[in-house]
Amino acid sequence: EAQVTQNPRYLITVTGKKLTVTCSQNMNHEYMSWYRQDPGLGLRQIYYSMNVEVTDKGDVPEGYKVSRKEKRNFPLILESPSPNQTSLYFCASSQNAGELFFGEGSRLTVL
Amino acid sequence: GEDVEQSLFLSVREGDSSVINCTYTDSSSTYLYWYKQEPGAGLQLLTYIFSNMDMKQDQRLTVLLNKKDKHLSLRIADTQTGDSAIYFCAEKDPPWNAGNNRKLIWGLGTSLAVNP
Repeated sequence: EAQVTQNPRYLITVTGKKLTVTCSQNMNHEYMSWYRQDPGLGLRQIYYSMNVEVTDKGDVPEGYKVSRKEKRNFPLILESPSPNQTSLYFCASSQNAGELFFGEGSRLTVL
Repeated sequence: GEDVEQSLFLSVREGDSSVINCTYTDSSSTYLYWYKQEPGAGLQLLTYIFSNMDMKQDQRLTVLLNKKDKHLSLRIADTQTGDSAIYFCAEKDPPWNAGNNRKLIWGLGTSLAVNP
C-alpha cells in the first residue's frame, strides 16, 4: 500500500530536549516536504527536498533542521524545541510537488 | 503575492449539495487543487483542475473554474455525513515564483459539517 509514515504520532516533550520526527514514503517519490498546521494559520511549509541530498527552506524554517540521506526518508529535527513549536506536523511526498501524499500527522506539544 | 481565500465554515443537511468556494490571485497558468482532511488524519487529494479548463467532474464531485473572476468551487452532490471534513483549496506556485519548489499556496480550509 502506498503510504507516508510518520512517527511518533503524538509526543509531549519539554523545552530544549532534542527530538526527531521521522517520515518515510514507499512510493519512490523524489519530492518531500514538511508542513506545520496551526489554527487560523493553515498549512505552512517548513522545509522541502527535491531529491536526495537536496533540501531547502520553506516559509517557516526557523528552529528546524532536515536531512535527506535516502530517497524514502526525510526526518524533521528540532534541536532545541520551544513552546511555539507546539503544532500538528505533516510530512508529504510527491512525484511533482503538486499532487501530494500526506502522512497521518504528528501532534507535538512542547512544555 | 499569491493568496488563496476560502470561507471557513459550511453547514449542510445530509442529501443536499455542498458548494465550497475559493478565490485565488495568481493570473498565470496553474493547477488548482482540492484536498480533504478528515478528523485526526492527514490531507488527501480529492481532485485538481488546470487553469485552461472550466469544469471537471468525478462521481459526486464537480469542480468549476471561473478564470476571469479567479473563482474555484467544489460541489459535492448528495452530501453524506462521511463528507464532514475540512476542505482545502490550493494553487500551484508558478515556476518564476517558486523556483525549484513548485510549492502549493494553501487556503485556510473550509470546515464542512453535514447534519443528519
